Amino acid sequence: GAVVSQHPSRVICKSGTSVKIECRSLDFQATTMFWYRQFPKQSLMLMATSNEGSKATYEQGVEKDKFLINHASLTLSTLTVTSAHPEDSSFYICSARTSGEVDTQYFGPGTRLTVL
Amino acid sequence: GQNIDQPTEMTATEGAIVQINCTYQTSGFNGLFWYQQHAGEAPTFLSYNVLDGLEEKGRFSSFLSRSKGYSYLLLKELQMKDSASYLCAVTDSNYQLIWGAGTKLIIKP
Repeated sequence: GAVVSQHPSRVICKSGTSVKIECRSLDFQATTMFWYRQFPKQSLMLMATSNEGSKATYEQGVEKDKFLINHASLTLSTLTVTSAHPEDSSFYICSARTSGEVDTQYFGPGTRLTVL
Repeated sequence: GQNIDQPTEMTATEGAIVQINCTYQTSGFNGLFWYQQHAGEAPTFLSYNVLDGLEEKGRFSSFLSRSKGYSYLLLKELQMKDSASYLCAVTDSNYQLIWGAGTKLIIKP
């Protein structure tokens, strides 16, 4: 199946710093990528929808100035957590949507962010 | 509002069969997905249903009834590695995925 990668897989940073997470579709072009956040024992929460070449669409309650998303190419989207705080510690997962017979989202392996 | 319900936790025995139910109420319907998620990992795609009926794929089968807003995931010949959370997700009229909270499946020897 389609492969999506994320980098880094784990990151620990100090409060107040910024962290960039990359999401790449390795064997297909993804015009749309999604960024999710997962809290322990809870469902995935959609943060934003990223379309190549245009501004991301953020879900209600997600601060666009704090979570910067750039979808620079058909295979790369980045999420930058700016001025990170301990409450931003979470598991961040991206997905890329294929188009075709079945419009399926394939997920990256996720990035575990810990803010000290 | 949009809502997806599935049991929080289920327990089954290795080698047995288990059925995980999912009911949904969404604005529009463009397909239902089942994903498997092991602890600390991202979800992996299991199945997709857009028409009523049963889709079989190896040990896993998924059923959909659009009129009832209902789906189930059937896992046969359970193995210990099947211990995971199973997420039901529906694509709504805007092609957004609406997620259930997941069912934690515990397999016992």
